[in-house]
Amino acid sequence: EPEVTQTPSHQVTQMGQEVILRCVPISNHLYFYWYRQILGQKVEFLVSFYNNEISEKSEIFDDQFSVERPDGSNFTLKIRSTKLEDSAMYFCASRGVRGTQYFGPGTRLLVL
Amino acid sequence: GENVEQHPSTLSVQEGDSAVIKCTYSDSASNYFPWYKQELGKRPQLIIDIRSNVGEKKDQRIAVTLNKTAKHFSLHITETQPEDSAVYFCAASGTDSWGKLQFGAGTQVVVTP
Repeated sequence: EPEVTQTPSHQVTQMGQEVILRCVPISNHLYFYWYRQILGQKVEFLVSFYNNEISEKSEIFDDQFSVERPDGSNFTLKIRSTKLEDSAMYFCASRGVRGTQYFGPGTRLLVL
Repeated sequence: GENVEQHPSTLSVQEGDSAVIKCTYSDSASNYFPWYKQELGKRPQLIIDIRSNVGEKKDQRIAVTLNKTAKHFSLHITETQPEDSAVYFCAASGTDSWGKLQFGAGTQVVVTP
């Protein structure tokens, strides 16, 4: 069964550094998402992406964040200058036409 | 925007008993309601979902009910087993939101043998 994959599984970075989180959505899916989950809290929507552009973003997704689909398979989330409060688990998700979203295993980001 | 409330925050049940988790949503335009199970350190896994044109859906020991008028939906797990122990999240999504999921706060379910 196809799955969403994400790399790296863990990332430790210094405050102010840039990080890029990578995702490979399920191959025939058209809609892509990034969510984050601060430890012990609920999953929060960051951004949705369709047809090579952002379709919706949350208040969390400020100018420090960007997303890109650089080729036909990868979907990336970049945080330009990380802050301590960016420490969280970041999940990528994708869906086809039907609406079921499938989540990747997540990248645990720790900002020191 | 959509706001999803979920109760209870923790639920302890004896193996074999039933567990019920309830969610309410605020946006009447929401029309898709999935439930995800998340084990510690793992990804959320879809366990069941329901669309607004259906009132109830069942899959083996798991069922979901939807009351559109009252804007609430519930997850029912029967004959609970220790492997049902996890955090369960409800979510809601509308057609005009590009499928963005708004999650509830989660319910920690503990099934004791």
